[in-house]
Formats: sequence, structure tokens, C-alpha cells
Amino acid sequence: EAGVVQSPRYKIIEKKQPVAFWCNPISGHNTLYWYRQNLGQGPELLIRYENEEAVDDSQLPKDRFSAERLKGVDSTLKIQPAELGDSAVYLCASSVAGTFREQYFGPGTRLTVT
Amino acid sequence: AQSVTQPDIHITVSEGASLELRCNYSYGATPYLFWYVQSPGQGLQLLLKYFSGDTLVQGIKGFEAEFKRSQSSFNLRKPSVHWSDAAEYFCAVATNFGNEKLTFGTGTRLTIIP
Repeated sequence: EAGVVQSPRYKIIEKKQPVAFWCNPISGHNTLYWYRQNLGQGPELLIRYENEEAVDDSQLPKDRFSAERLKGVDSTLKIQPAELGDSAVYLCASSVAGTFREQYFGPGTRLTVT
Repeated sequence: AQSVTQPDIHITVSEGASLELRCNYSYGATPYLFWYVQSPGQGLQLLLKYFSGDTLVQGIKGFEAEFKRSQSSFNLRKPSVHWSDAAEYFCAVATNFGNEKLTFGTGTRLTIIP
């Protein structure tokens, strides 16, 4: 079974530039999560999707961050414009409904904003 | 709100020695507790979880953890570490079945010396 796929794995951009991250969850997982992991910290949830619906985006900085999950499968997280403080690893995870939903994580995208 | 404390930022252990990583949580009721491992450049992998019942839980890779309600702790143990156990370990808590928002600790980096 393929795991959670994320791309790109690494991204370096200048501040004020836009950037997008892509996530393909495990097949059949209808719940998708985006986390941000700052250096030396644990992951923090940005947004959670149930199928196409964002059910928890309370931690998403909506002035510059946006996310979408068209057709309830793949998801894209965008930052526009990026700031120096956005440098972090962005992790995508997915889970299946029905039981307590064990989250399976992708390898993440390491973003460096210069 | 719930919180997780991992008091040890970095631990160094000799290969073959025993290991204990500490985790304390703050929450009024019994939370759902997790330990994840993150190897360099990899996503997080679930080692074990506690929901209810037997307070000593077994996980993958020879790890176990014990839930102690009186101490609000969920420490991770392994009787004999291998060089491949070198990684970052995160304790996490979730408080609502059906709203599986994970709150992570800041992690403990484990170094194994020959």
C-alpha cells in the first residue's frame, strides 16, 4: 500500500513569493490533515478536511495561507506571500473514518524562505 | 486546553542499553495518548497508542509505554536500543473521539552511541 505522497520535498523561495505544496493521501482515506513543524518543535495542525470540507481550519493563518481539497482526494496548501517565519516542514497526514483515526504522515515538504 | 510536555530535549544512550523517554500531559480527563517516531527526512510513524484498558501498551519495534494516571505520564521504554532507534520521538495527546486533533510535545532527540 502506497503511503502519503508529498511534493516537492524541498523548496527554497524568496520572501513575498508564492509557494504551493501538494499532498496525495492514502487511497480510501477521507480525512486529510496539514501540519506545520517548526524547527525543534512538534507538528501543529493547520487544517483538517473531511472529504472536501474543511472542518477545522482554526489554526490556519487565513491572510496568507489557503488550502483546497478538490474531489476529496488530493490537496494543495498555498502560501502567498511567504514570510521568513514560514520556514518550516509542512506535513500532510491522512486517516480513515470509522474508528479512532490513526494518522499516517507523509515525509513532508521542507520550506526555506530567504 | 490539553498540553504535552517532554522534559528531555536530547538523550544519549549506548547501544544495547535500556531507554526511557518521558512524557507528561495536562488534561482533565483521560486522553488518548500516542508516541510517534520521526527519522531524519521522514514523516512521523506511530509507535503505539493508549485509549483505555491495560495501562501497559506494546508497540512496534520493541517499544512499550505505560500510562500512569496519578502522574499524568505516558513514558516510552525499550529494554535494549539499537543504532537504528536514533531519531526524534514525539508524544501526542488527543481528547475527543471524533475530533482527532493531535497536540504534540516538542520532541526528544535520541542519539545512540556504539
